[in-house]
Amino acid sequence: GIQVEQSPPDLILQEGANSTLRCNFSDSVNNLQWFHQNPWGQLINLFYIPSGTKQNGRLSATTVATERYSLLYISSSQTTDSGVYFCAVPPNGTGGFKTIFGAGTRLFVKA
Amino acid sequence: DAGVIQSPRHEVTEMGQEVTLRCKPISGHNSLFWYRQTMMRGLELLIYFNNNVPIDDSGMPEDRFSAKMPNASFSTLKIQPSEPRDSAVYFCASSITRINEKLFFGSGTQLSVL
Repeated sequence: GIQVEQSPPDLILQEGANSTLRCNFSDSVNNLQWFHQNPWGQLINLFYIPSGTKQNGRLSATTVATERYSLLYISSSQTTDSGVYFCAVPPNGTGGFKTIFGAGTRLFVKA
Repeated sequence: DAGVIQSPRHEVTEMGQEVTLRCKPISGHNSLFWYRQTMMRGLELLIYFNNNVPIDDSGMPEDRFSAKMPNASFSTLKIQPSEPRDSAVYFCASSITRINEKLFFGSGTQLSVL
């Protein structure tokens, strides 16, 4: 089946710093989503981004589907950005249903 | 909209007991997913429904697990009998297919089987 690899696995930032998280996937996909799981366990959908670039405040995401990767940019990080960031993809042929998650990048932002 | 609603938030039970987890998807969403999250295996898709019909249950670990969706606003995940290795956080998520497959998650049920 499809492989989803995220890097780095862990990241520690000083508040105010910028960072880039990467998601590589091994097969073509219909779409890609980025999620943030906060320290209380809640999973929040950040982006639905099958291709191109989207921005939402201090966060932006870019997916290059032909090269099978996506990037999540966090600018001017805040302590509330701490948590785990997941990318998730549904392999082609599953009609967008069978969304598979990567292992995540665990982010800690220090005050 | 209240979002995806799961109950209970926490469940502690003894090995061998039946456990039922409940989910109410977002109104108007036609796909529903059950995921399990553990430290060792991350987020695993157990089963998903489209228009109340189970499409793929290949992620269900054993016959002890079963899921139903009797109508568009309610789903259950049942474990009978439960075992300590079933301890995990169980998430329900919903989406609108054919428009986009953006997933919205509930708050999860933390299950502990002693």
